[in-house]
Amino acid sequence: DVKVTQSSRYLVKRTGEKVFLECVQDMDHENMFWYRQDPGLGLRLIYFSYDVKMKEKGDIPEGYSVSREKKERFSLILESASTNQTSMYLCASSFRVGTGLVNQPQHFGDGTRLSIL
Amino acid sequence: SQKIEQNSEALNIQEGKTATLTCNYTNYSPAYLQWYRQDPGRGPVFLLLIRENEKEKRKERLKVTFDTTLKQSLFHITASQPADSATYLCALEDSGAGSYQLTFGKGTKLSVIP
Repeated sequence: DVKVTQSSRYLVKRTGEKVFLECVQDMDHENMFWYRQDPGLGLRLIYFSYDVKMKEKGDIPEGYSVSREKKERFSLILESASTNQTSMYLCASSFRVGTGLVNQPQHFGDGTRLSIL
Repeated sequence: SQKIEQNSEALNIQEGKTATLTCNYTNYSPAYLQWYRQDPGRGPVFLLLIRENEKEKRKERLKVTFDTTLKQSLFHITASQPADSATYLCALEDSGAGSYQLTFGKGTKLSVIP
């Protein structure tokens, strides 16, 4: 079975801190994604990557950056954490078929519940 | 503007009945539509993918239909069980402007009552 592992289930940080969320997948997937999930807003894409060192902005990239130095690892960085970044963060991965990023199922980790105080 | 709507935030159904969840979309032309299940405190889990040229897809007690004319997908769970209680998300490929993303609906929380 595909396993997507997020480094922490719960995390509490302070406003202004630099926060790193780590995600590792073990299925040699080309694509990796970071989402946040908020009540009433659903899942929203922050950033995605279709190859090592490649990244693309999603719908809500402001205040975030990402790093993909190895194929299996995709990191989300909150440059200067703010209270409005308190949320559930979900990482996902998938195979890439042809030139498309989707049309393959995405496999999710169990999320990191991040609280910014 | 583009929109994905799942018929209701919550749906209660009696055990043994068929649950039907609806996903409507506007201003998309998706080639694929996917359904996921999410349990509390867990990440979504992929269930089914249906392509635009497929009218129907089945997997055990699950059935998905995709009507590109109506811009709608229906997700059915037959002989529903309490273990089917979860939030179900539809998601479709947004290929507009050459950028491929999967956009999710907000989900329908299904409760199967014994």
